[in-house]
Amino acid sequence: SQQGEEDPQALSIQEGENATMNCSYKTSINNLQWYRQNSGRGLVHLILIRSNEREKHSGRLRVTLDTSKKSSSLLITASRAADTASYFCATKGYSTLTFGKGTMLLVSP
Amino acid sequence: DTEVTQTPKHLVMGMTNKKSLKCEQHMGHRAMYWYKQKAKKPPELMFVYSYEKLSINESVPSRFSPECPNSSLLNLHLHALQPEDSALYLCASSQDGLGGQLYGYTFGSGTRLTVV
Repeated sequence: SQQGEEDPQALSIQEGENATMNCSYKTSINNLQWYRQNSGRGLVHLILIRSNEREKHSGRLRVTLDTSKKSSSLLITASRAADTASYFCATKGYSTLTFGKGTMLLVSP
Repeated sequence: DTEVTQTPKHLVMGMTNKKSLKCEQHMGHRAMYWYKQKAKKPPELMFVYSYEKLSINESVPSRFSPECPNSSLLNLHLHALQPEDSALYLCASSQDGLGGQLYGYTFGSGTRLTVV
């Protein structure tokens, strides 16, 4: 069953702008991960944040995690047309990785 | 080699056919997974193999039969599928095993299956 719920479902921005996607979940987790999927092909792992971490950076990506609110956000700074994709948050309990519904990001040149 | 390779990329099969999807990784990952993804939906877990043993079966119909011949290979055998089984089938592996918490999953590019 799906646990994460992303917000917004779709986001359209111009190149150079920042994109923020939010994820809420329902049960306790060990970590939360973000993935990107281009054109319905394979998913690419972007970043993992553990339950005892509050913020993590990787290149143009910044992820925050608030376990008290059961929510996470992914910020992509200085977006590029190549960032156009679907973005999924995924929560990891002990053994299974469960994906949210995803946010479709469109970055226009 | 840092990839998960899935073959074939596309498959069209009739409802009476038997076919197999193949997944291969040479990264020494200890856990391998099959996910199913319908259009505009998130991936849904089907099976988990840990150390070549089936650890999780998410109540998948018996017309889907997984097999893990060795630590690098994962197959999904298909028989008597229905049109509603048409989807993208994704294989993934993880470095730190079933209960691991340090690493994300590496996904293959998927097999797009159409059942006619």
